[in-house]
Amino acid sequence: DAKTTQPPSMDCAEGRAANLPCNHSTISGNEYVYWYRQIHSQGPQYIIHGLKNNETNEMASLIITEDRKSSTLILPHATLRDTAVYYCIVTGNTGGFKTIFGAGTRLFVKA
Amino acid sequence: DTAVSQTPKYLVTQMGNDKSIKCEQNLGHDTMYWYKQDSKKFLKIMFSYNNKELIINETVPNRFSPKSPDKAHLNLHINSLELGDSAVYFCASSQLDRPNGYTFGSGTRLTVV
Repeated sequence: DAKTTQPPSMDCAEGRAANLPCNHSTISGNEYVYWYRQIHSQGPQYIIHGLKNNETNEMASLIITEDRKSSTLILPHATLRDTAVYYCIVTGNTGGFKTIFGAGTRLFVKA
Repeated sequence: DTAVSQTPKYLVTQMGNDKSIKCEQNLGHDTMYWYKQDSKKFLKIMFSYNNKELIINETVPNRFSPKSPDKAHLNLHINSLELGDSAVYFCASSQLDRPNGYTFGSGTRLTVV
């Protein structure tokens, strides 16, 4: 079973920031938070990951609360191409077999 | 330069047949995986394999078997295909000592008729 909880769907206007929340209240000290997305039926695509600190890359920002029980993925300027299912995953730094994908959040970016 | 490539992209076959799906990665990763995505879109891990260890999801029927000729390849062989095997199968790879996430292939859509 997935160790994360995400809203099933969200809408966002094109050009606005998309903030996707994730709860992971049972996260343990050595577990990372990873985000992936799946556009239509393509393979999931890695977006970003973090342990404690907030992270930013060319795709997104990841904000992790101080108690690490929740996080938010931020797409700063959503485009229509960002419409996808976004998965939040908690796993140890060796990933592997314990990387469990839940149902994710279906993000609709609207013009 | 596709990082993780799977073939074929589509596979339609009859019940009872045996088929293989091939996966190759050129990332130098040490671990490869097979995932199954069913009609409800849940991604479920089937196998995790590196040169030291094969981990099998206990829910996977033994008709499914991974075969790795070398660390860059992990093929999936399926015997006696059943209707319920119809799904999209994704191959992925990662480097265990570097937490940079998985790289997935584009998937193989298997339809059993």
